[in-house]
Amino acid sequence: SQTIHQWPATLVQPVGSPLSLECTVEGTSNPNLYWYRQAAGRGLQLLFYSVGIGQISSEVPQNLSASRPQDRQFILSSKKLLLSDSGFYLCAWSGTGVIPLHFGNGTRLTVT
Amino acid sequence: AQSVAQPEDQVNVAEGNPLTVKCTYSVSGNPYLFWYVQYPNRGLQFLLKYITGDNLVKGSYGFEAEFNKSQTSFHLKKPSALVSDSALYFCAVRAPNAGNNRKLIWGLGTSLAVNP
Repeated sequence: SQTIHQWPATLVQPVGSPLSLECTVEGTSNPNLYWYRQAAGRGLQLLFYSVGIGQISSEVPQNLSASRPQDRQFILSSKKLLLSDSGFYLCAWSGTGVIPLHFGNGTRLTVT
Repeated sequence: AQSVAQPEDQVNVAEGNPLTVKCTYSVSGNPYLFWYVQYPNRGLQFLLKYITGDNLVKGSYGFEAEFNKSQTSFHLKKPSALVSDSALYFCAVRAPNAGNNRKLIWGLGTSLAVNP
């Protein structure tokens, strides 16, 4: 069966520090991968989307970037964190067709 | 513009009573509709989806949802609520011409509290 791993679960980083969040998927190949941010425990905002290695679409302009160095690995990064980058970050994958999203357990990022 | 509305920020229900979490949408054509649940500090879990066919869809944990095209609604229901159903529920819709989940439109979520 397919599983998705996301780490770390929580992270506290000072303003101006770099960020790297990692997400890996097991049990499937060529998944569509997504990074979401959830603010204030509610609304979901799609940040990045990838259909394959090295193929990244950014949905909103921001201080973050994403990379997909391997088929089942998706990384969210920042060179210098801002206070406004605090939030709950969720990685998800899906197959092609009308397939539901499968989410990781998220990373709670606090920028101080 | 395409949109999804969950008109209630919070729903409170007594354990054992039926529950309904409302969702309405505005999408051209015949949409694909989804419900997800989120427990505290966890990712979202897929509950059920409607693509076509029977308007009543059954999903995980005893939940079901009814697609009503004339009212453009997809309300989530459960005949008998459990305290463990307390969580945040999200409705999402995808237009039929959207090629993938990149174009998934999310509601803002409804917090369900089931009281013992």
